[in-house]
Amino acid sequence: KQEVTQIPAALSVPEGENLVLNCSFTDSAIYNLQWFRQDPGKGLTSLLLIQSSQREQTSGRLNASLDKSSGRSTLYIAASQPGDSATYLCAVPPQGGSEKLVFGKGTKLTVNP
Amino acid sequence: GAVVSQHPSRVICKSGTSVKIECRSLDFQATTMFWYRQFPKKSLMLMATSNEGSKATYEQGVEKDKFLINHASLTLSTLTVTSAHPEDSSFYICSASPNSGGPGGELFFGEGSRLTVL
Repeated sequence: KQEVTQIPAALSVPEGENLVLNCSFTDSAIYNLQWFRQDPGKGLTSLLLIQSSQREQTSGRLNASLDKSSGRSTLYIAASQPGDSATYLCAVPPQGGSEKLVFGKGTKLTVNP
Repeated sequence: GAVVSQHPSRVICKSGTSVKIECRSLDFQATTMFWYRQFPKKSLMLMATSNEGSKATYEQGVEKDKFLINHASLTLSTLTVTSAHPEDSSFYICSASPNSGGPGGELFFGEGSRLTVL
């Protein structure tokens, strides 16, 4: 059974700092890994999708890496801003592959002005 | 990215009543949509896979008679919480992919619907 763990559960940083969020998964036979952002009381916004054949994806100040063999992914946020404050979730398909996703509990990020 | 819309965003109902939540893919067709439930400080939990034109597939432990899913068209899936009770109060989120039918596609999520049962 695929399980996803995110560390840390919460992170508070001053504005401008670079930071790394971690995600690990138990079954390395994944098709892809997706990072999402969730603001309080809101739905999920897709940030980055990394296919299994890729090592990383970049979008603006965000960079996500994927190491399938070790079952790990990181989300790097450069020059953090207060508007980056949100909960960040990573998700992978369950064992066997499908469109549905298994989620971690998320990392709640607070960027202080 | 693709847009998925949910309605209503918030609903409050009395215990024993039924509530319907709609999930629409606005700019693409989706043969498959997914319904998730989110408890405070918990992971999103997949409830069921909604299949256009056929019965939904429910995850283990999810009561199909309690959570009725209808996927009548390629752009609309509905979740009806029947005879709602306070323990059904939760945040419900739907998702869909423009690449319905196979793994590897990017999933897009609706804004979520907060259900409060009094």
